[in-house]
Amino acid sequence: EPEVTQTPSHQVTQMGQEVILRCVPISNHLYFYWYRQILGQKVEFLVSFYNNEISEKSEIFDDQFSVERPDGSNFTLKIRSTKLEDSAMYFCAGQRQRTTYEQYFGPGTRLTVT
Amino acid sequence: GQNIDQPTEMTATEGAIVQINCTYQTSGFNGLFWYQQHAGEAPTFLSYNVLDGLEEKGRFSSFLSRSKGYSYLLLKELQMKDSASYLCAVRDQTGANNLFFGTGTRLTVIP
Repeated sequence: EPEVTQTPSHQVTQMGQEVILRCVPISNHLYFYWYRQILGQKVEFLVSFYNNEISEKSEIFDDQFSVERPDGSNFTLKIRSTKLEDSAMYFCAGQRQRTTYEQYFGPGTRLTVT
Repeated sequence: GQNIDQPTEMTATEGAIVQINCTYQTSGFNGLFWYQQHAGEAPTFLSYNVLDGLEEKGRFSSFLSRSKGYSYLLLKELQMKDSASYLCAVRDQTGANNLFFGTGTRLTVIP
């Protein structure tokens, strides 16, 4: 059964550095999402992406964040200058079409900013 | 804004039935979801309600009352592996169908 994959599983970076988190969604999915979960807290929506552009973004998704789907398969989240408070689990999710309801989550990337 | 409330923790006995409640106040509504999340893992989809009533799926059932802004997840014949966090999430009515999650209910199943 196809799965969403994410790399790396764990990323440690120094404050101020750029990180790129990668996701390979299920091939027939059209809608893509990034969520984050700070340890012990709720899952929070960051951004949604459809047809090669951002559909919606939350207040968390400020100018330090960007998303791309550079080659039709990978879906990336870039954080330009990481802060300590960016430490969290980052989940990528995909959805087949707008009228379906299930979002398939990847296993997540644990980002630790030191 | 979105406000989704659920109990922080619950404990139940193996073989028993447990009901996890969720109340929500959201600016839009296009469905309520329940996800299961084991520690350190990704959320996995359990159920979806968009109309009032009960949806049954094996040992899991989910109920929705839109007028009350209320849902519950019912787990029957509890197993030890059901120990996990259960996340209530609401889909916003905007075009992208983003999910807004509650803080989750950590369920511990004891022998």
